[in-house]
Amino acid sequence: QSALTQPPSASGSPGQSVTISCTGTSSDVGGYNYVSWYQQHPGKAPKLMIYEVNKRPSGVPDRFSGSKSGNTASLTVSGLQAEDEADYYCSSYAGDNNYVFGTGTKVTVL
Amino acid sequence: QVQLQESGPGLVKPSETLSLTCTVSGGSVRSGSYYWSWIRQPPGKGLEWIGYIYYSGSTYLNPSLKSRVTISVDTSRNQFSLKVSSVTAADTAVFYCARIRESYFDYWGQGILVTVSS
Repeated sequence: QSALTQPPSASGSPGQSVTISCTGTSSDVGGYNYVSWYQQHPGKAPKLMIYEVNKRPSGVPDRFSGSKSGNTASLTVSGLQAEDEADYYCSSYAGDNNYVFGTGTKVTVL
Repeated sequence: QVQLQESGPGLVKPSETLSLTCTVSGGSVRSGSYYWSWIRQPPGKGLEWIGYIYYSGSTYLNPSLKSRVTISVDTSRNQFSLKVSSVTAADTAVFYCARIRESYFDYWGQGILVTVSS
């Protein structure tokens, strides 16, 4: 399976919104509502931010939201804050007990 | 609070076998509600799913790595392990263990850097 496609970078000023796309195929993103998103700060382990397309784990601010249309999922960070600057990865169940991650997006807060 | 901790050698020679262990605390690998997974991240690059195991011993592996990867579980020690054979420099990465709940990775270890070099 191929990695899901994400833009290499995205940016926004504090208080603004940024949206990151995650494009796959009908065999992964489009075929299941099992897309999740992870935030990774430098030198740290990834942290779950969104699961099952649009659900937030306890403790994740509601500034983070997820959606999906066809083979593309999206993560939106509203009201950008300095601590949101990080790498973000999407992941999807890909059938046959397989998982696939996205290529990653570096979010910069200007 | 569930915690996962990777352990193992930080340096492995080319053509040898990389072996890592993940110790789980605050939860049990015997729980039928979860799977236990390995993920790796080469320096400066993205995440790659390696595979996962159920407490029964059933394993599910990334097809691209399947021929070189073994994942096992030791329920008596509340651990699961990863072996990657015939390693090359391309296998240099930070290796993470993580818990899979339904369809997502909800708890991660801190990661361990394994360098393949002579």
